Amino acid sequence: GENVEQHPSTLSVQEGDSAVIKCTYSDSASNYFPWYKQELGKRPQLIIDIRSNVGEKKDQRIAVTLNKTAKHFSLHITETQPEDSAVYFCAASNGIQGAQKLVFGQGTRLTINP
Amino acid sequence: DTAVSQTPKYLVTQMGNDKSIKCEQNLGHDTMYWYKQDSKKFLKIMFSYNNKELIINETVPNRFSPKSPDKAHLNLHINSLELGDSAVYFCASSQAAPQYFGPGTRLLVL
Repeated sequence: GENVEQHPSTLSVQEGDSAVIKCTYSDSASNYFPWYKQELGKRPQLIIDIRSNVGEKKDQRIAVTLNKTAKHFSLHITETQPEDSAVYFCAASNGIQGAQKLVFGQGTRLTINP
Repeated sequence: DTAVSQTPKYLVTQMGNDKSIKCEQNLGHDTMYWYKQDSKKFLKIMFSYNNKELIINETVPNRFSPKSPDKAHLNLHINSLELGDSAVYFCASSQAAPQYFGPGTRLLVL
């Protein structure tokens, strides 16, 4: 089955700097890669996603890149702000009869230092 | 007008008891899911229903039984609760992708 590895487990950056979180996946059939942000005590919230037919996607300060050959994808956050502090999860999935079996990485705790 | 809602928000119970968690979505999605988030924050899928049909059934003890009375509702019943069942349980729904999560139910088994 699919296995997703996420690094680093913790990341601390100065406000205004960039943050990069990396994930690798094992199943070449995976075709959908979302990123979720989870604040303390809250639900995971989708921040950006990418499909396997696209190499890069950007939404304001957030971007995701996908390298299908190497089976890795990354989240880039530019001009970080204190409200970016949270746990970030990557995931990979392949559709099964209308459902998406998301396999999550272990999470990255991002801290933005003012 | 919460999109995915769960009840209860908190559940504290004794070992051996039986409890249920309810989930409802008003997004018109066909697919609903249950995830477990353990104390180390690891998120793992448990079940998925597509239009009331069980599609995904991960390696979960058979003490856990999901039920979907209609495509807007997915409940989770847990029999004979154990200490290791303590976790946050999230419901989610989707129309293919992406998945939208409910607020979670924090279960503590004493």
